[in-house]
Amino acid sequence: GAVVSQHPSWVICKSGTSVKIECRSLDFQATTMFWYRQFPKQSLMLMATSNEGSKATYEQGVEKDKFLINHASLTLSTLTVTSAHPEDSSFYICSATGAGLSFYEQYFGPGTRLTVT
Amino acid sequence: GENVEQHPSTLSVQEGDSAVIKCTYSDSASNYFPWYKQELGKGPQLIIDIRSNVGEKKDQRIAVTLNKTAKHFSLHITETQPEDSAVYFCATKRGNQFYFGTGTSLTVIP
Repeated sequence: GAVVSQHPSWVICKSGTSVKIECRSLDFQATTMFWYRQFPKQSLMLMATSNEGSKATYEQGVEKDKFLINHASLTLSTLTVTSAHPEDSSFYICSATGAGLSFYEQYFGPGTRLTVT
Repeated sequence: GENVEQHPSTLSVQEGDSAVIKCTYSDSASNYFPWYKQELGKGPQLIIDIRSNVGEKKDQRIAVTLNKTAKHFSLHITETQPEDSAVYFCATKRGNQFYFGTGTSLTVIP
């Protein structure tokens, strides 16, 4: 099946610094990628949707200047958390749909655990 | 927008028994209904899905049923095993957007 990877799997950073998370589709072209945030024992909260070569569409309440999303190629999307604060600590998950897949399906990455100290 | 409700939030069953998780949704335009299994510290994995033109789908011990009129769909796991213990999420899709339920933590007791 379609494989999506994320890097890093976990990261610890200090308050005020920025951290970049990569999401890659390994065996298909991801025309659309989604970024989710998940708090402990809660559901996935969609942060933004990005289409290759276009600006990301952010959900209401998500600060686009804080969570920078770049979908520059059909296999890579990045999420940069700028000026991170402890409240940004969370589990970030990407997913992708795209060419060669059913229109209906999305495949998730393994997630990135971000801890801001 | 779509509102997806999922019940129960926690479920414990004895190994070998069946487990049923139910979801309701509000938007009749939703046309795809996947179920995901998420293990601790990992991303969700698709385990079964159903499209709006089908009422039931089965894959070995897992089945999903859909009632479009009543706007609800259910996940059925038979002959549960300890490795089925995880959090399960239902979801709906309308257009390019997915909407997730709140999750069910399933524990299978050996």
